Amino acid sequence: KQEVTQIPAALSVPEGENLVLNCSFTDSAIYNLQWFRQDPGKGLTSLLLIQSSQREQTSGRLNASLDKSSGRSTLYIAASQPGDSATYLCAVRFNTDKLIFGTGTRLQVFP
Amino acid sequence: KAGVTQTPRYLIKTRGQQVTLSCSPISGHRSVSWYQQTPGQGLQFLFEYFSETQRNKGNFPGRFSGRQFSNSRSEMNVSTLELGDSALYLCASSGTTGYGDTQYFGPGTRLTVL
Repeated sequence: KQEVTQIPAALSVPEGENLVLNCSFTDSAIYNLQWFRQDPGKGLTSLLLIQSSQREQTSGRLNASLDKSSGRSTLYIAASQPGDSATYLCAVRFNTDKLIFGTGTRLQVFP
Repeated sequence: KAGVTQTPRYLIKTRGQQVTLSCSPISGHRSVSWYQQTPGQGLQFLFEYFSETQRNKGNFPGRFSGRQFSNSRSEMNVSTLELGDSALYLCASSGTTGYGDTQYFGPGTRLTVL
């Protein structure tokens, strides 16, 4: 069964810290992987998309890596800010099938 | 470019009724996917349409159905509503093939079933 797992489920850090969110998946035959953030009661905002042929993607203070052989992706957030507080979701598309979401990591950055 | 829009934003229905939700994708996008989000189950895939054809389907009962029109706008319908259908319903659109493209989500429709 294709599954996506995110650890930790929740994280609270002081402003300015660099942090890493983890996503693991059960099948290495992925098509792509996408990271999203979701603010309470809102829709999802796309952060980074990594195709299966890529190793990482960067956007501003965000860097996402992909290691298919170990079934892992990490989202690195540099110099965290209170505005980064949200739930971060990892979603994997296996082959050309549906997008499967992890359960998310709820991040709180306090001043 | 305007983002993905969903209407209505909020709905309150009673058990046994039916409901239709609408999604307008980003202009030029041909793929539309629907998801159900609940606190207990997280985000679950309902179905995906590409050029008016259902391309993928999740594990939901037949009460959940959808369609896509020639202008790529999509609707989903839930018949014989149950209390457990209360959820945030999200729609996402993506560009050409849909598989390799970024998914852009709308704000969602919050459905409450009483």
